[in-house]
Amino acid sequence: QVQLVQSGAEVKKPGASVKVSCKASGYTFTSYDINWVRQATGQGLEWMGWMNPNSGNTGYAQKFQGRVTMTRNTSISTAYMELSSLRSEDTAVYYCARGSSSFSYWGQGTLVTVSS
Amino acid sequence: QSALTQPASVSGSPGQSITISCTGTSSDVGGYNYVSWYQQHPGKAPKLMIYEVSNRPSGVPDRFSGSKSGNTASLTISGLQAEDEADYYCSSYTSSSLVFGGGTKLTVL
Repeated sequence: QVQLVQSGAEVKKPGASVKVSCKASGYTFTSYDINWVRQATGQGLEWMGWMNPNSGNTGYAQKFQGRVTMTRNTSISTAYMELSSLRSEDTAVYYCARGSSSFSYWGQGTLVTVSS
Repeated sequence: QSALTQPASVSGSPGQSITISCTGTSSDVGGYNYVSWYQQHPGKAPKLMIYEVSNRPSGVPDRFSGSKSGNTASLTISGLQAEDEADYYCSSYTSSSLVFGGGTKLTVL
């Protein structure tokens, strides 16, 4: 069965960076895009960007351009999302999701807390 | 990219039908047939309910249906059940990016 398993919760100080991983299993990792979506507590979903695991090509939401980097390690079927220059407003649950225009499989979410 | 517009809340009684709207522009909802709907229960990851405007993934009950007219997409849930109480989000593809709606809280009375 398809599974996306994310890394554990993180606590970071303002200005630091965080790198969240998303390990895929149950399918061919390079066959489907991986997207990242975040959700602040009590708020809606916010799309951050996508990555093609086969080519490594990426596309980021304008809001995150220059602060987000999406990469992958195909040998271990894992995608990564790194967000830099963290501020309190980045406190949220970060999800990875498989697909292009719709996401049929999601990771369990990773809580990133930014606090001094 | 501005978020798509959804009503903050809707409600209905068991057995009734409700419709949630999702309004965008000709650059997103109106320009592509790539509108999706997600259901999210508290503390859980979103679940895909509708993709490409009106298609249901395997396992999603046929009580859930989607449609689109112009720049507005709609999700209709017929025969409301208690377990349908959740937050619902629409999303649309838009020129190399994706945008979500603000979400709608569905209350089953």
